[in-house]
Amino acid sequence: QVQLQESGPGLVKPSETLSLTCTVSGGSISSSSYYWGWIRQPPGKGLEWIGNIYYSESTYYNPSLKSRVTISVDTSKNQFSLKLSSVTAADTAVFYCARLWSPGGYDAFDIWGQGTMVTVSS
Amino acid sequence: SSELTQDPAVSVALGQTVRITCQGDSLRSYYATWYQQKPGQAPVLVIYGKNNRPSGIPDRFSGSSSGNTASLTITGAQAEDEADYYCNSRDSSGNHWVFGGGTKLTVL
Repeated sequence: QVQLQESGPGLVKPSETLSLTCTVSGGSISSSSYYWGWIRQPPGKGLEWIGNIYYSESTYYNPSLKSRVTISVDTSKNQFSLKLSSVTAADTAVFYCARLWSPGGYDAFDIWGQGTMVTVSS
Repeated sequence: SSELTQDPAVSVALGQTVRITCQGDSLRSYYATWYQQKPGQAPVLVIYGKNNRPSGIPDRFSGSSSGNTASLTITGAQAEDEADYYCNSRDSSGNHWVFGGGTKLTVL
């Protein structure tokens, strides 16, 4: 079955760029019914959608983060990545990658990675 | 509008029925999707579309919608249902996704 695994540094300095990669196994990132997304969750708080990407590289970003976010896809490696620039302590969170199933008529983040904690601190 | 509003906390007696609601203008156009999250774990999809459950989700979980309000109903709540529940949908533009603030369900 399809599995997602986040990877990247667990500690990032303020003002630097946070970079995470999600590796998709057990299925192709180029499947037409799926988008690939990033969601974060600050400690003790709720979920926040960051953005999605389609294998064709169409991207959709949270308007509140758009100026700092870049999501890209590497179909040859079956991976997609997140870059969040100019980070502050407020960006400290568990970051999840997830598959967005969109067959038409509805959407669902049906498969999630285990999440990776990223702390912004000097 | 890009907001989905949930009650912060709800409680239910063991074996009773509980409804968790999610309000937002975009729900007039898009279905809500519901996720369960237990402490230290990733969210798990429980309801999608009009009222569909992924394989492995008990049939005591159901979804419904009316106007700008979507509901997740647990009929005969069990101790293992104690968790945070989040709704999710597209916003009114259709090009962004948004999560509700989450509802902490306590099973008494």
